[in-house]
Amino acid sequence: EAQVTQNPRYLITVTGKKLTVTCSQNMNHEYMSWYRQDPGLGLRQIYYSMNVEVTDKGDVPEGYKVSRKEKRNFPLILESPSPNQTSLYFCASSLRTGSSPLHFGNGTRLTVT
Amino acid sequence: GENVEQHPSTLSVQEGDSAVIKCTYSDSASNYFPWYKQELGKRPQLIIDIRSNVGEKKDQRIAVTLNKTAKHFSLHITETQPEDSAVYFCAAIMDTGRRALTFGSGTRLQVQP
Repeated sequence: EAQVTQNPRYLITVTGKKLTVTCSQNMNHEYMSWYRQDPGLGLRQIYYSMNVEVTDKGDVPEGYKVSRKEKRNFPLILESPSPNQTSLYFCASSLRTGSSPLHFGNGTRLTVT
Repeated sequence: GENVEQHPSTLSVQEGDSAVIKCTYSDSASNYFPWYKQELGKRPQLIIDIRSNVGEKKDQRIAVTLNKTAKHFSLHITETQPEDSAVYFCAAIMDTGRRALTFGSGTRLQVQP
């Protein structure tokens, strides 16, 4: 089944404790991206990747890192999480650029205390 | 960068009525305009999209119209049903070097039985 898989679905952590949210797609998509969703703000892009070893900042990249060592994986890293990073995170992929339909993962609800 | 404004933020209609959600965008270079539906607790999913070389696109009860001159596009849902209740997001992509899909802030549609 074609899908984008995110893990974990729920995560509660404390300020400053490094964490990684994994994202994997099995559709051989070139384009992958991370979004955060906050009430009233819609979906805001954190980082995106056009292909392996090619990443770029989105609208809200501060406090986040990503890597794209393999085509299928695009982990989101929070080196030192803070409470303002409490949010619902979505990974998404598409065949080529962001102008192709996006396939979203199920989301990761992160709480930083 | 691109800015997408979406209205209204909430919309309540009676079952069988029509619903219209409007979005405006700022960058005339945008050429791809998708709409995503997000049911409660689920991932966003593409429901319809339109490219700048057409003015209207229909898919059963859903249609999208685009006015490039005015830089706005709209989602039309006819004969609404309770299962249409969800949050709807419009988006636009500014494909001028920085390939980032910018989302509107979302419209919560409630269809009353």
